Amino acid sequence: QIQLVQSGPEVKKPGESVKISCKASGYTFTQAGMQWLKQAQGKSLKWMGWINTNTGKTTYAADFTGRFVFSLETSASTAYLQITNLKNEDMATYFCARGHYYDGAFAYWGQGTLVTVSS
Amino acid sequence: DIQMTQSPASLSASLGETVTIECRASEDIYNGLAWYQQKPGKSPQLLIYNANSLHTGVPSRFSGSGSGTQYSLKINSLQSEDVASYFCQQYYDYPWTFGGGTKLELK
Repeated sequence: QIQLVQSGPEVKKPGESVKISCKASGYTFTQAGMQWLKQAQGKSLKWMGWINTNTGKTTYAADFTGRFVFSLETSASTAYLQITNLKNEDMATYFCARGHYYDGAFAYWGQGTLVTVSS
Repeated sequence: DIQMTQSPASLSASLGETVTIECRASEDIYNGLAWYQQKPGKSPQLLIYNANSLHTGVPSRFSGSGSGTQYSLKINSLQSEDVASYFCQQYYDYPWTFGGGTKLELK
């Protein structure tokens, strides 16, 4: 069965960087793009963008340009989200997800990675 | 960006009741709409895609309808396991955007 397994919770200081992994299994990694989403505690979801797992081409939502980088390790069926120069407002749970019927309807989700930013 | 306005923000209903959650888009999204259920501490789960198509494995008491800018999610015969937050999301145009969510509780 299709699974997306994310790396564990992170505690960082403002200004530091974090790299979250999302390991896919149960399907051919390059068959579907990988999406990234953010959810602050008690809030709705925000789509951050996606990475084409065939070409590595990235698309970022406007609020997630500059400090956010999506990358791949295709041989390991793994996608990454790196956030640099962490700010308090980056404190959230980050999800990887992929579509099934349509890229934008997320049928498969990682379990989420909580990033805590605290001095 | 397409704004998604979801209502109500919270809802209290009894077991067996029928519940409806509404979602309005700021422009026509041509049925490019999904509904998700999220329980505390868990990832969202896809319920409905294409506004009215039931995702595999989702109980038939869930249904979606609507067109243009107005969409709704209906839960027939509410069960205790339906207590959760629900989100609508448009995927018609980038950036894909979500509604603010509806928290469903038991009365």
